[in-house]
Amino acid sequence: GQNIDQPTEMTATEGAIVQINCTYQTSGFNGLFWYQQHAGEAPTFLSYNVLDGLEEKGRFSSFLSRSKGYSYLLLKELQMKDSASYLCAVTDSNYQLIWGAGTKLIIKP
Amino acid sequence: ETGVTQTPRHLVMGMTNKKSLKCEQHLGHNAMYWYKQSAKKPLELMFVYNFKEQTENNSVPSRFSPECPNSSHLFLHLHTLQPEDSALYLCASGGGGDTGELFFGEGSRLTVL
Repeated sequence: GQNIDQPTEMTATEGAIVQINCTYQTSGFNGLFWYQQHAGEAPTFLSYNVLDGLEEKGRFSSFLSRSKGYSYLLLKELQMKDSASYLCAVTDSNYQLIWGAGTKLIIKP
Repeated sequence: ETGVTQTPRHLVMGMTNKKSLKCEQHLGHNAMYWYKQSAKKPLELMFVYNFKEQTENNSVPSRFSPECPNSSHLFLHLHTLQPEDSALYLCASGGGGDTGELFFGEGSRLTVL
């Protein structure tokens, strides 16, 4: 079966750096997404990786290794507003989106 | 503001009620989606519409009935639901462009008593 694994919950300190990992086992691969979802709000697109390597976008970066079936989302200079759930999703060979259960990130002062 | 609007935001209904969820997108996308989001579970795809035609029904029980009258509007009609259907129902549009990213509404929180 197809599967996406990410930690259920993580805690980090304001101003610090946190890395949220995502591993996947899917039938083929056509891209990996990260979405951010604040409590009670819509998931919003953060990043997309289709080739190996690091994509940087301001304080957020996303890394992909297709050979290892692995990605991470790196958040730098954490702010209280970064407290949210972070969803990892992979597009398989049929262009179906397979979702992880999300990682709830708690930022403490 | 994501460009996708869902109403109502909250809904409480009994198992014998009939209600509908509404989704509207102003982004010009041709694909619209219904997802179910339950606590600590991955998003579950329910239905996909492309150019008003249903292209995917992910083995959803018949008590959920979608309707897509045009590319901007999507409905989910609810009838004789079960308590386990209580969840957040998310509408999304998009899936095209360079990345195929989806644009989500804020969801309708459904509670079935």
